[in-house]
Amino acid sequence: GQSLEQPSEVTAVEGAIVQINCTYQTSGFYGLSWYQQHDGGAPTFLSYNALDGLEETGRFSSFLSRSDSYGYLLLQELQMKDSASYFCAALDTGRRALTFGSGTRLQVQP
Amino acid sequence: SQTIHQWPATLVQPVGSPLSLECTVEGTSNPNLYWYRQAAGRGLQLLFYSVGIGQISSEVPQNLSASRPQDRQFILSSKKLLLSDSGFYLCACLVAGNTIYFGEGSWLTVV
Repeated sequence: GQSLEQPSEVTAVEGAIVQINCTYQTSGFYGLSWYQQHDGGAPTFLSYNALDGLEETGRFSSFLSRSDSYGYLLLQELQMKDSASYFCAALDTGRRALTFGSGTRLQVQP
Repeated sequence: SQTIHQWPATLVQPVGSPLSLECTVEGTSNPNLYWYRQAAGRGLQLLFYSVGIGQISSEVPQNLSASRPQDRQFILSSKKLLLSDSGFYLCACLVAGNTIYFGEGSWLTVV
């Protein structure tokens, strides 16, 4: 089976940097994905890491350490519109399906 | 790029009634397809996945079923809905072997 742990809530101010951590226990781990979900909406894809290291996409970066079974999502220059839930999800080699963490609710304050 | 169409967007159904949610995908061929469910304030739970026409794998025992009658069509069904079936249902598609994209979702309320 697979399980992922991430903090339930994070609060930060506009313009700041926030890091959302994710640890996982999986069998057949293929890679780690991150999704953003606004209230009432569907999850939207942010990033995917298959190899160790940092992937940068604009204000968002994602990191993976396979040896530590750990990853994080880094959000820079926070904006009010970044207030949402963020999910880490592990992709497995067999089913090529995602197992999701329970999500981190990010509240950006003015 | 792929596009995932899902309908209906919202529905309210009485307990014991049947259900049919449809999903079609454009812009890709022979995709892996998935049905996920999200209860209010929770993470996403994998219900079914399919690697091809007629090939369905169920992840969670339940009164739901899935079918894939065509390459880019995925259907979620139930013969008799339960209150516990309420939730946000999401169809998803695997792209480039490692990235899963979601449709806009279907909100189901069973009353």
